[in-house]
Amino acid sequence: DGGITQSPKYLFRKEGQNVTLSCEQNLNHDAMYWYRQDPGQGLRLIYYSQIVNDFQKGDIAEGYSVSREKKESFPLTVTSAQKNPTAFYLCASSLSSYGYTFGSGTRLTVV
Amino acid sequence: AQSVTQLGSHVSVSEGALVLLRCNYSSSVPPYLFWYVQYPNQGLQLLLKYTSAATLVKGINGFEAEFKKSETSFHLTKPSAHMSDAAEYFCAVSPPNTGNQFYFGTGTSLTVIP
Repeated sequence: DGGITQSPKYLFRKEGQNVTLSCEQNLNHDAMYWYRQDPGQGLRLIYYSQIVNDFQKGDIAEGYSVSREKKESFPLTVTSAQKNPTAFYLCASSLSSYGYTFGSGTRLTVV
Repeated sequence: AQSVTQLGSHVSVSEGALVLLRCNYSSSVPPYLFWYVQYPNQGLQLLLKYTSAATLVKGINGFEAEFKKSETSFHLTKPSAHMSDAAEYFCAVSPPNTGNQFYFGTGTSLTVIP
């Protein structure tokens, strides 16, 4: 079945550590997105990529980095520069303006 | 700039009662409109979408929404709430000819009272 796979489902990060969240899709979608979700704040766009080897900052890109070396993959790195990384992270992909397909999310907690 | 407003961050209904979740958008040109549902610790699932065809759109799980251009609204309804409908609901808009740009509302948490 086609879909988006995010891993891991739960991730714990120590202070000052970089961590990478995985997002893989087999839908042949061109565009991919990373969102951060905090309670009561809806979804905030971190980064997005319309094509391979190209990506743009979203509304809250500081402290995050991405790469898009393959169409299927769009990993997100949460760097030590992100001071408040505890959140639920959602990856999505789309082929056109006909809707996003979301992964099941990664919950990141700083310990 | 595009914006999406969901009136009511929390809505409670009794089981079997009508569900009405409100969504208004700001756009000079009718956009594509979507409703998504999110269950705890899960991703968002598409409920229904409006893409300039019929103004009354039927989705999964008995939900429907009506696009009203004059009111710039796309409210979500379900005639009879079920306990399993308790979740977070997000309205989203995608303006035409903007590629894949989406704008999400802040969400409405639906509680169903037995």
